[in-house]
Amino acid sequence: DAKTTQPPSMDCAEGRAANLPCNHSTISGNEYVYWYRQIHSQGPQYIIHGLKNNETNEMASLIITEDRKSSTLILPHATLRDTAVYYCIVRVAGSSNTGKLIFGQGTTLQVKP
Amino acid sequence: DAGVTQSPTHLIKTRGQQVTLRCSPKSGHDTVSWYQQALGQGPQFIFQYYEEEERQRGNFPDRFSGHQFPNYSSELNVNALLLGDSALYLCASSFGTGNTGELFFGEGSRLTVL
Repeated sequence: DAKTTQPPSMDCAEGRAANLPCNHSTISGNEYVYWYRQIHSQGPQYIIHGLKNNETNEMASLIITEDRKSSTLILPHATLRDTAVYYCIVRVAGSSNTGKLIFGQGTTLQVKP
Repeated sequence: DAGVTQSPTHLIKTRGQQVTLRCSPKSGHDTVSWYQQALGQGPQFIFQYYEEEERQRGNFPDRFSGHQFPNYSSELNVNALLLGDSALYLCASSFGTGNTGELFFGEGSRLTVL
C-alpha cells in the first residue's frame, strides 16, 4: 500500500471550512483513498473514500487531483466536535486485506471558537 | 443496531501475565481486525480474522494470538505481557474480505501493564 504524507497539525475557525491535505504520490491505479478520524479516547471513525472522482457525503467532501497523487478532505462548516486526528489512508480494494489499514501520524485538527 | 462492542474497557495487568480481550462485530459483519494503538501513535494492524481463520497478520510476535467464533465474535490474547504492550487495543469489523466498505471500530480496551 502506498504511503501518505499529512501535515501534523492544523487550526480552523468554527463555522469555516476545514481543508485537510494529503499527499500520496506513489498511489497505484487500484488503490483507494480513505479518510478516518479519531476523536480523543474513541475508536477511529470512517469519513469517506474515493478512487478517482470527487466524493461527497453528509460528513465531508473528498477532492482527488487528476493525477491522483494528492487529495483534500473538506469539512464544509467545522464545529468544535470536529476537533480530532484525521488519517488519510491508501489501500488496495477488492483484495483479501480488507481489514488492514496502515495508519500514519495523521493531522490533528483543532477547531477554535 | 449495535455497533462494535469491546470488553473490558480498561484493565491493569502485571508483566508476565496473560490477557484476553473480546470483541463483538457490528450486526451483519463477519470479518474482525485487531489494532494496537500506543499513546500518541496511529493504530497498528495486528491481524484479521475471517471464517474463523487468521487471514492477515501485521508485524507482531507470536505472543499475540486470536480466535474467531462461529458467531463472528473474536478474542485477542496476549501472553507474557511486557511493559510495551500497554496500549489501546481496537477491534474493527467489516463484511467480507474483498469489498471496498469501510471498517467500523469499537471504543477499544485500554491495557496498562505494570
